[in-house]
Amino acid sequence: AQKITQTQPGMFVQEKEAVTLDCTYDTSDQSYGLFWYKQPSSGEMIFLIYQGSYDEQNATEGRYSLNFQKARKSANLVISASQLGDSAMYFCAMREGKNAGGTSYGKLTFGQGTILTVHP
Amino acid sequence: GAVVSQHPSWVICKSGTSVKIECRSLDFQATTMFWYRQFPKQSLMLMATSNEGSKATYEQGVEKDKFLINHASLTLSTLTVTSAHPEDSSFYICSASGRTSYEQYFGPGTRLTVT
Repeated sequence: AQKITQTQPGMFVQEKEAVTLDCTYDTSDQSYGLFWYKQPSSGEMIFLIYQGSYDEQNATEGRYSLNFQKARKSANLVISASQLGDSAMYFCAMREGKNAGGTSYGKLTFGQGTILTVHP
Repeated sequence: GAVVSQHPSWVICKSGTSVKIECRSLDFQATTMFWYRQFPKQSLMLMATSNEGSKATYEQGVEKDKFLINHASLTLSTLTVTSAHPEDSSFYICSASGRTSYEQYFGPGTRLTVT
């Protein structure tokens, strides 16, 4: 079963408008983390925002905010005041628990990604 | 944030040869490193997880004899694609995490083309 689902293969937004990128997840763990990454055409993965499962407040980082709906298992990314430079592929990812027997955090599972295009 | 480098950034090799890709954490000790593979316009697929000083844990369907991973120190992990074939052409990305960080820091990726 898909653990992370991004149902929007592509999204378009007008410059300076806000856009929401959807992400739903599936886990039986009580402790998990949710991430959003931006991948421009250069290929580098740029960390945007993190939400822990026990965090009561929605995470915010500048123009990025995460709309965390725990009961619905959704973690949508909201980008306010879109800029041309926001055009890229966006990935939602989930980390569940820790490596068995290890001290580091567990592996990330990524969604399919959403290609965002910002129009001038 | 922490810095992870990869070398080379791109490589072209002939079918049947082996290619080594290095992943280094430059300013922190990476107790765990992850190797991903990504085809164009697709998601990142985890290939293996390596903890310093121990054997890598490979994901289902990933050939451990073809994709050799070594994590000999807290700052370096290598991925060797042995006897490369054109279907191994892909974008390979590593990431690293330390003991106390929830975050994975990604390298810039290596684009492999096998001719």
